[in-house]
Amino acid sequence: GAVVSQHPSWVICKSGTSVKIECRSLDFQATTMFWYRQFPKQSLMLMATSNEGSKATYEQGVEKDKFLINHASLTLSTLTVTSAHPEDSSFYICSARGGAGQGHNSPLHFGNGTRLTVT
Amino acid sequence: AQSVTQPDIHITVSEGASLELRCNYSYGATPYLFWYVQSPGQGLQLLLKYFSGDTLVQGIKGFEAEFKRSQSSFNLRKPSVHWSDAAEYFCAVNSGAGSYQLTFGKGTKLSVIP
Repeated sequence: GAVVSQHPSWVICKSGTSVKIECRSLDFQATTMFWYRQFPKQSLMLMATSNEGSKATYEQGVEKDKFLINHASLTLSTLTVTSAHPEDSSFYICSARGGAGQGHNSPLHFGNGTRLTVT
Repeated sequence: AQSVTQPDIHITVSEGASLELRCNYSYGATPYLFWYVQSPGQGLQLLLKYFSGDTLVQGIKGFEAEFKRSQSSFNLRKPSVHWSDAAEYFCAVNSGAGSYQLTFGKGTKLSVIP
């Protein structure tokens, strides 16, 4: 089945540094990928929609300059948390819809998530 | 706008007991409904989904869910819980019609007593 690989699974960084998280669709092409953030004891929050070859679409309240998204190919999207602060510590999850033949209503396939801790 | 409510934040059951996790949604038409499970330190895994047809849906790991239009509910059930079922469960709604977005409930944490 369709697999989405997310790397790294866990990262610790110092305040002020930047962290890049990769999301890859391993056996299908994803023109659109999604980035979520999970706050403790809360549900997932959609941060942005990543479109291959164009700018990402950010949800209201998400800082574009802080959470840089690049979707350089049909199988890779990256989220860069710039100038990270402790309040950016969270669980970030990407997802992508299955490739051709699976229909636009197929379930989203999720990566395993990245736990970011900013010290 | 669509919304999802999971009224139970935390549920504790004994191993071998039956389980029902509640999910109510708000949406004008029939949505596409999903249940996901997130084990500690892991990503989300799809348990089952409902698009149309038979309102009783079978999923993986012995789970099932029933879509009840009149109650706007999509409750998740399992006849006999195993200790490995301890995790957080999320109900999600997609409005379909080409929409990529999923709206998640806040999740229900399941604890299992041996």
